[in-house]
Amino acid sequence: SQQGEEDPQALSIQEGENATMNCSYKTSINNLQWYRQNSGRGLVHLILIRSNEREKHSGRLRVTLDTSKKSSSLLITASRAADTASYFCATLNFGNEKLTFGTGTRLTIIP
Amino acid sequence: NAGVTQTPKFRVLKTGQSMTLLCAQDMNHEYMYWYRQDPGMGLRLIHYSVGEGTTAKGEVPDGYNVSRLKKQNFLLGLESAAPSQTSVYFCASRPDGIYGYTFGSGTRLTVV
Repeated sequence: SQQGEEDPQALSIQEGENATMNCSYKTSINNLQWYRQNSGRGLVHLILIRSNEREKHSGRLRVTLDTSKKSSSLLITASRAADTASYFCATLNFGNEKLTFGTGTRLTIIP
Repeated sequence: NAGVTQTPKFRVLKTGQSMTLLCAQDMNHEYMYWYRQDPGMGLRLIHYSVGEGTTAKGEVPDGYNVSRLKKQNFLLGLESAAPSQTSVYFCASRPDGIYGYTFGSGTRLTVV
């Protein structure tokens, strides 16, 4: 069963704008991760945020985590055409060795 | 440093045929995973391994078997392929500790 659910399912924005994707999950987690998948390719790990962290940055990426609401958001600032991809959140539960993935957000950057 | 390598990249099978997908990683990672990806369903875990010689079932293990005889290799077998196993299969690995996964580029399997 899916643990994370991304919202929206699809998002189209103009190049240079910011893109925000949300992820909700159901059970307590050890950490939450975001991945990018370009069409026809494997997933690439973007960022990991632990359950005791509230915000994390990596380049143009900013991830927030609200464990009380069981939700996370991924913000991509100053979007570029190369950011066009599907983005997945994934959660790792305590005492578990495996990630559970959501169904993804398809992001399209319009040049 | 090749990372995670999956072979083959594409395969077409007839119903009832068998095949093995190979995953190899050169990062000395302890943990390895097999996922399948279907449209609109995200990634679902088939089997995983927490170290050489170990395997465990994931969310959708039926119809698949795995082996991890060597730390760097994780094999996924289909004993008798069915059309429902048409999918894209991804292998991933990670070291011990809190780290992200490294994924292979996938195997696109079609069962006719």
